[in-house]
Amino acid sequence: EDQVTQSPEALRLQEGESSSLNCSYTVSGLRGLFWYRQDPGKGPEFLFTLYSAGEEKEKERLKATLTKKESFLHITAPKPEDSATYLCAVQAGETSGSRLTFGEGTQLTVNP
Amino acid sequence: ETGVTQTPRHLVMGMTNKKSLKCEQHLGHNAMYWYKQSAKKPLELMFVYNFKEQTENNSVPSRFSPECPNSSHLFLHLHTLQPEDSALYLCASSQAPGARKTQYFGPGTRLLVL
Repeated sequence: EDQVTQSPEALRLQEGESSSLNCSYTVSGLRGLFWYRQDPGKGPEFLFTLYSAGEEKEKERLKATLTKKESFLHITAPKPEDSATYLCAVQAGETSGSRLTFGEGTQLTVNP
Repeated sequence: ETGVTQTPRHLVMGMTNKKSLKCEQHLGHNAMYWYKQSAKKPLELMFVYNFKEQTENNSVPSRFSPECPNSSHLFLHLHTLQPEDSALYLCASSQAPGARKTQYFGPGTRLLVL
């Protein structure tokens, strides 16, 4: 069974204090790892897809990286507007089709 | 309207009521999904539709009944729900079901069952 574990569960940062969120996964045949951002009362907003170990993607202050066991979401010099819950999801296996397995998320708070 | 829209945004219903959730996607996608998001739990896939045909039912109780009249619209019909069904119900769409197809989510319907 595919498993996704995100850590920490919650993270508080001061504005400008860089840090990383972790997504560890155990799957049979990774086909894609997805990062989403979710604001309170809203649906998840797509950020990145990573397909193979060693791949990296960047968007503004966010950078996602992927290894064979985990993914990191690096946040450089965060701002209060980066406060949200960050979700990681994996798609795996030859017969999984479109099924995404989500982690529980990391709730990020950036204080001014 | 752009992206994926959902109505209503909030719903309160009794256990004997019948209600429906509506989802519409404006992205030209062919696949649509229903997810359930409960507090402190990961998103759970409920149903998958591809070109109006249901391709996956993740062991969802029959009190949840999906309907997909076309590739742009998806409904979730609710009847005789239980308080534990209270959650955020999210609709998503993608170009087609399958690997490497990004799913885009709507804002969700916050459901409270009394």
